[in-house]
Amino acid sequence: KAGVTQTPRYLIKTRGQQVTLSCSPISGHRSVSWYQQTPGQGLQFLFEYFSETQRNKGNFPGRFSGRQFSNSRSEMNVSTLELGDSALYLCASSPSGRTDDNEQFFGPGTRLTVL
Amino acid sequence: AQKITQTQPGMFVQEKEAVTLDCTYDTSDPSYGLFWYKQPSSGEMIFLIYQGSYDQQNATEGRYSLNFQKARKSANLVISASQLGDSAMYFCAMRGFGTGGFKTIFGAGTRLFVKA
Repeated sequence: KAGVTQTPRYLIKTRGQQVTLSCSPISGHRSVSWYQQTPGQGLQFLFEYFSETQRNKGNFPGRFSGRQFSNSRSEMNVSTLELGDSALYLCASSPSGRTDDNEQFFGPGTRLTVL
Repeated sequence: AQKITQTQPGMFVQEKEAVTLDCTYDTSDPSYGLFWYKQPSSGEMIFLIYQGSYDQQNATEGRYSLNFQKARKSANLVISASQLGDSAMYFCAMRGFGTGGFKTIFGAGTRLFVKA
């Protein structure tokens, strides 16, 4: 079974630009969650999608958005980039995203640098 | 509110010895799942082990075992026979049904150093 894939792996942008990151979950997994990881804030939950619907959202500004397609692939978008958006963005997939899911696997991450 | 606490920012262990990484959690949910992940310097998050809140037995996966004490709300990771490749950051995580729906929260992590 192929793992979670994220593209691109590395990205360099400048302030004010926008960026789109992509995540393909494990086949059969319908829940995709996104996280931002920074040295100062650790791992912070961005949002979770299930069956093309955003089920939950973390405390991030509206510049951060996402969507999920019918094949469970997900994208997240960050508009008007700020220096503080530089981070490792991780996506995780699980079968249903419920508490009894015993599988939650992460992709390799996209390292975003904002100059 | 849901919370995960890892009180050990860094730990040292001698190769081939066992080590315990601490994790306590706080939740009012009757049902939740607990995870441990390993993050090497490459940045990938590697799933190690899962424990469901209703599981009667402690989870084990190879050299990893989870010491689950529900009444104390602790879910410590035990790594037996440490190897040099175990040097990494370790995160404890909990999935519960908080405000707004299901989500997973993470502790601050413990950096493990394995000495030869």
